[in-house]
Amino acid sequence: DAKTTQPNSMESNEEEPVHLPCNHSTISGTDYIHWYRQLPSQGPEYVIHGLTSNVNNRMASLAIAEDRKSSTLILHRATLRDAAVYYCILNYPGGSEKLVFGKGTKLTVNP
Amino acid sequence: DAGVIQSPRHEVTEMGQEVTLRCKPISGHNSLFWYRQTMMRGLELLIYFNNNVPIDDSGMPEDRFSAKMPNASFSTLKIQPSEPRDSAVYFCASSFSDLAKNIQYFGAGTRLSVL
Repeated sequence: DAKTTQPNSMESNEEEPVHLPCNHSTISGTDYIHWYRQLPSQGPEYVIHGLTSNVNNRMASLAIAEDRKSSTLILHRATLRDAAVYYCILNYPGGSEKLVFGKGTKLTVNP
Repeated sequence: DAGVIQSPRHEVTEMGQEVTLRCKPISGHNSLFWYRQTMMRGLELLIYFNNNVPIDDSGMPEDRFSAKMPNASFSTLKIQPSEPRDSAVYFCASSFSDLAKNIQYFGAGTRLSVL
């Protein structure tokens, strides 16, 4: 499985944008980039995914570098409810469905 | 939709006892996953099923663990006999197998304590 590297932790202030980075230098051409997050005492939840182009949904935006070796999850206005561990995961849809979760980035949002 | 439903939410048992965790996936989903989360090892996949057939059980720790999916709406994870090191939060997730997406939906988890 191609690996991802994320900072262990990040801090943000409420209502400010947050940029969560992820490095995946060994990504293959067919790997999708997935982001999940895990709120305290809950199961992980899907946030967003993409292949090459930048993606937006109601939760966040995903910016993918042109060479695809890195990506950034963008929360446009952080709220206290966004405090969670964010996981960046690569998955090849034509292969195994298994998602390999790393340690992720623990995001703290200050009021 | 009610989402993925796991039961029980909490389980406390004594070493050596049999433990059965249950999962009801989202209706219409054809893949089901069992994960375990501990502070030491993080979130790790134990086994997953596609169309009720086990596809990858390489994460199952040892013979004490077994998982079944008798039909599309129910799965169990059994530990027999249980040991203190099995204490963890166990998550079940389901997805609709899709070449482009593979979006997994997780249940709230079962917190298992083995004394």
